[in-house]
Amino acid sequence: QLQLQESGPGLVKPSETLSLTCTVSVDSISSRSSYWNWIRQPPGKGLEWIGSIYYSGSAYYNPSLQSRVTTSVDTSRNQFSLKLTSVTAADTAIYYCVRGAENPRGLFDSWGLGILVTVSS
Amino acid sequence: DIQMTQSPSTLSASVGDRVTITCRASQSINNWLVWYQQKPGKAPKVLIYRASSLESGVPSRFSGSGSGTEFTLTISSVQPDDFATYYCQQYKSPPWTFGQGTKVEIK
Repeated sequence: QLQLQESGPGLVKPSETLSLTCTVSVDSISSRSSYWNWIRQPPGKGLEWIGSIYYSGSAYYNPSLQSRVTTSVDTSRNQFSLKLTSVTAADTAIYYCVRGAENPRGLFDSWGLGILVTVSS
Repeated sequence: DIQMTQSPSTLSASVGDRVTITCRASQSINNWLVWYQQKPGKAPKVLIYRASSLESGVPSRFSGSGSGTEFTLTISSVQPDDFATYYCQQYKSPPWTFGQGTKVEIK
């Protein structure tokens, strides 16, 4: 069964860059039937899609975050990554890495456990 | 962006009750709708996709209906394991958007 595991710092200072990595197990990140996604959830609140990336590196993002978000794929390590710049307290959230189907896109069927990232000085 | 609105925000129910949650989209999404269940401290899990298709392994007491802009998730007889928060999400067009969630509590 597909497994995803988020890793990265749990504490980031305001105005700095949040960097997370997701390691994919069992399935290949080069699968043509998968998109790889980041979704976040502020504590006690709802879910927000951040962005999606294909194994080729083709990516698309939520317009609300697009100016601050970059994602990348490392097929040799079966990993994909998220960078979110100029963070504020509003970026404090549980960040999930998630597998989505390529067709149809936007259906999120396998989720990591999530990692809590707190933005605080 | 397509806005998704769920009602109610919170629902109190007893074991065995029939429970219905509504999700409305700000424009037609055909049947590109998925329902998730999330328990405290856990990631969401797919229950229903394509508005009415039951995900493998999900109990048959869960069902979904609707198309266009109005959708419902029904639990025919709520069980102790079903007390959780439920989210709808559209996958008609990006940005993919979620409802704000419905928490099903024990009465």
